[in-house]
Amino acid sequence: GAVVSQHPSRVICKSGTSVKIECRSLDFQATTMFWYRQFPKQSLMLMATSNEGSKATYEQGVEKDKFLINHASLTLSTLTVTSAHPEDSSFYICSALAAGTDTQYFGPGTRLTVL
Amino acid sequence: SQKIEQNSEALNIQEGKTATLTCNYTNYSPAYLQWYRQDPGRGPVFLLLIRENEKEKRKERLKVTFDTTLKQSLFHITASQPADSATYLCALDNYSQNFVFGPGTRLSVLP
Repeated sequence: GAVVSQHPSRVICKSGTSVKIECRSLDFQATTMFWYRQFPKQSLMLMATSNEGSKATYEQGVEKDKFLINHASLTLSTLTVTSAHPEDSSFYICSALAAGTDTQYFGPGTRLTVL
Repeated sequence: SQKIEQNSEALNIQEGKTATLTCNYTNYSPAYLQWYRQDPGRGPVFLLLIRENEKEKRKERLKVTFDTTLKQSLFHITASQPADSATYLCALDNYSQNFVFGPGTRLSVLP
């Protein structure tokens, strides 16, 4: 149980385009989902916290207009990187918090490369 | 500001030995602490959670201790195997859903 999927697993795009990443909790309902980015050999950096049906809470330094987060249902959250630039290239990971638990379950991650 | 440190960036041990990883924190009062395993190019996988009122937790070959006075958690892998090679992350939370992750320790178990 407690499986989280991400799609796509890998994406390459041109500078200036937008990319959408989906995060789904497959066998449980997630009232809260988190989005992280991770640079090589570094730890996870929390970008934003999203609760179903409400606006996401962004961490300091994360542009909400650039990283659009939508948590429309209890099993799906999306992250859209708008007008992507090469510096946005990174490993993006989502996690989901099952209702009534303290444990985050992570997706497999999405490798974004912006050319 | 909150700070989490993990004992070393990399740790090499011989197969069969016990690996001990440390997680130290400052300027934080976590309600619980979690340990995750992350393989290259993959998302972290949850291993163990220990609460502030618990001293020790075990799961198969894994053992976690939590000392809120020392502000430290120790993570032990007994009878280590090459398959245990991975990066191990500790994460803290105080029920605010404000999870803070450590930088990780890359463990290599040598055959």
